[in-house]
Amino acid sequence: QQQVKQSPQSLIVQKGGISIINCAYENTAFDYFPWYQQFPGKGPALLIAIRPDVSEKKEGRFTISFNKSAKQFSLHIMDSQPGDSATYFCAARTGTASKLTFGTGTRLQVTL
Amino acid sequence: EAGVTQSPTHLIKTRGQQATLRCSPISGHTSVYWYQQALGLGLQFLLWYDEGEERNRGNFPPRFSGRQFPNYSSELNVNALELEDSALYLCASSPGQYSNQPQHFGDGTRLSIL
Repeated sequence: QQQVKQSPQSLIVQKGGISIINCAYENTAFDYFPWYQQFPGKGPALLIAIRPDVSEKKEGRFTISFNKSAKQFSLHIMDSQPGDSATYFCAARTGTASKLTFGTGTRLQVTL
Repeated sequence: EAGVTQSPTHLIKTRGQQATLRCSPISGHTSVYWYQQALGLGLQFLLWYDEGEERNRGNFPPRFSGRQFPNYSSELNVNALELEDSALYLCASSPGQYSNQPQHFGDGTRLSIL
């Protein structure tokens, strides 16, 4: 059972544009939602994370928007750059230190 | 501060063999997690160890096993290898089972089954 659904599967954005990746979850016990960025040949690196008591969190060009009632959260990348081209994974966790449940990933390509 | 380190980087085996993958967590981290990243299947949770004990296990057959050593490093063993086991195996660590801190990943071991 896939508990975190991620879309789109792939995304092409022009340099300077806004990249938007969406995730939806089913398990209402999830209480921590991180986003990871993965470059080819590397492991996932934590980008930004949010907890459900906050509707939005911003770090530099990266913003997470969280809609608890709709059980959805999204990543916005402002002023997208070619260096942002990577695969992005949303994830969710229940409680402290437990396993992460990942979305299927979005391959982002930022063109010049 | 060194990150999570995994070895080997690549491992080539044939069907029926056994594979051993190793992981050293970030210094001070006691929890180690293993994930499988197979093509087209995203990251799937395999195992979680903390303070030497197995805390949780994903939906994988018993031929996937592991252990955690007193220095908190960990080993993942896969017996009776099958073609479908070809994947990137990622290890992550966090400060411990009562920690709210995120998991940090290594760069993985690429396991190829011929």
